[in-house]
Amino acid sequence: KQEVTQIPAALSVPEGENLVLNCSFTDSAIYNLQWFRQDPGKGLTSLLLIQSSQREQTSGRLNASLDKSSGRSTLYIAASQPGDSATYLCAVRGNNRLAFGKGNQVVVIP
Amino acid sequence: GAGVSQTPSNKVTEKGKYVELRCDPISGHTALYWYRQSLGQGPEFLIYFQGTGAADDSGLPNDRFFAVRPEGSVSTLKIQRTERGDSAVYLCASSLNAVGTPDTQYFGPGTRLTVL
Repeated sequence: KQEVTQIPAALSVPEGENLVLNCSFTDSAIYNLQWFRQDPGKGLTSLLLIQSSQREQTSGRLNASLDKSSGRSTLYIAASQPGDSATYLCAVRGNNRLAFGKGNQVVVIP
Repeated sequence: GAGVSQTPSNKVTEKGKYVELRCDPISGHTALYWYRQSLGQGPEFLIYFQGTGAADDSGLPNDRFFAVRPEGSVSTLKIQRTERGDSAVYLCASSLNAVGTPDTQYFGPGTRLTVL
């Protein structure tokens, strides 16, 4: 069974600092990895998807890397803003389903 | 709005009652997924539809849970004899699932189910 771990569980950073969120998974046989954002009481917003053959994806201030062989992904958020405060979820796609971590809860302090 | 929609947004029921949760996927998306998210946890897979058929229902916790997608679009998740442990947010997602596409899953806002 695929196990996904996200470290740290929670973190607070001052506005303007770069954020680094880590995700690890136990089974490297994945189709893709997706990073989501979840605001309190809301659904999930897809941020980035990295195919298993890719090493990274970028969108604006966000950059996600994937090292499939070591079972790791990192989400970088440059120059954090208070509006980046949310929970960030990492999910790996196996057969027919996404396996999620518990999330990184981020607070950006103005 | 072209996103995934779910109704109701909140549902409060009593233990032992029957509930139905509805999901309207993005138009043209052939794949539909149900997940369940408990407080402080990531979503857990329940069931996956490809078209009208349940291609993978191995995540359903027991036979009180059932889902249908009769016309390959809207899906309904049905829970019989609800228990307090069923309380959670039920999330629906859809994807295009076409060959050569990234197959991003797009999520709805969820239905918060509370069983008293």
